[in-house]
Amino acid sequence: GAVVSQHPSWVICKSGTSVKIECRSLDFQATTMFWYRQFPKQSLMLMATSNEGSKATYEQGVEKDKFLINHASLTLSTLTVTSAHPEDSSFYICSASPTGYEQYFGPGTRLTVT
Amino acid sequence: QKEVEQNSGPLSVPEGAIASLNCTYSDRGSQSFFWYRQYSGKSPELIMFIYSNGDKEDGRFTAQLNKASQYVSLLIRDSQPSDSATYLCADHSNDYKLSFGAGTTVTVRA
Repeated sequence: GAVVSQHPSWVICKSGTSVKIECRSLDFQATTMFWYRQFPKQSLMLMATSNEGSKATYEQGVEKDKFLINHASLTLSTLTVTSAHPEDSSFYICSASPTGYEQYFGPGTRLTVT
Repeated sequence: QKEVEQNSGPLSVPEGAIASLNCTYSDRGSQSFFWYRQYSGKSPELIMFIYSNGDKEDGRFTAQLNKASQYVSLLIRDSQPSDSATYLCADHSNDYKLSFGAGTTVTVRA
């Protein structure tokens, strides 16, 4: 149980384009989902907390107009990186919680912006 | 600001030995802690969580929490080469967020 999927697993895009990443909880409902970013050899950095039916809460320093988050249902959250630039290249990981306590992570999406 | 600190390692142990990982946290009000394992290039996977003082065992893993010392640890018994990974300690806050430490890299030598 507690399986979280992400799509796509990797994506390459050109500078200036937008990329959408989907996060789904497959066998449970998640009122809260989280989006993280991880650069090589660094720990996870929380970008935003996503609650179903309401606006996401962004961490300090994360541009909400650049990283658009939509939590459309209890099993789906999406992250759109708008006008991507090479410095946005990173490993993006979502997590979901069935209880608001433990978090289960998706497999991650590796974004490369050329 | 919450801080979770871990020794970055790498920690190298022979196969079959006990690997001991340590984590300290700054927020005395923190209630619960999570240990995740992350293989290179993969996302973290939950090992276990602990919220009461003392020990909690799950298979070859034992988490230990000492709130007075603001210290949480993870023991891996009978270490296997497949345990080679980075182990992340995380502090859980009331707003459901996790604050992660930098992680400790463990290498189990066959």
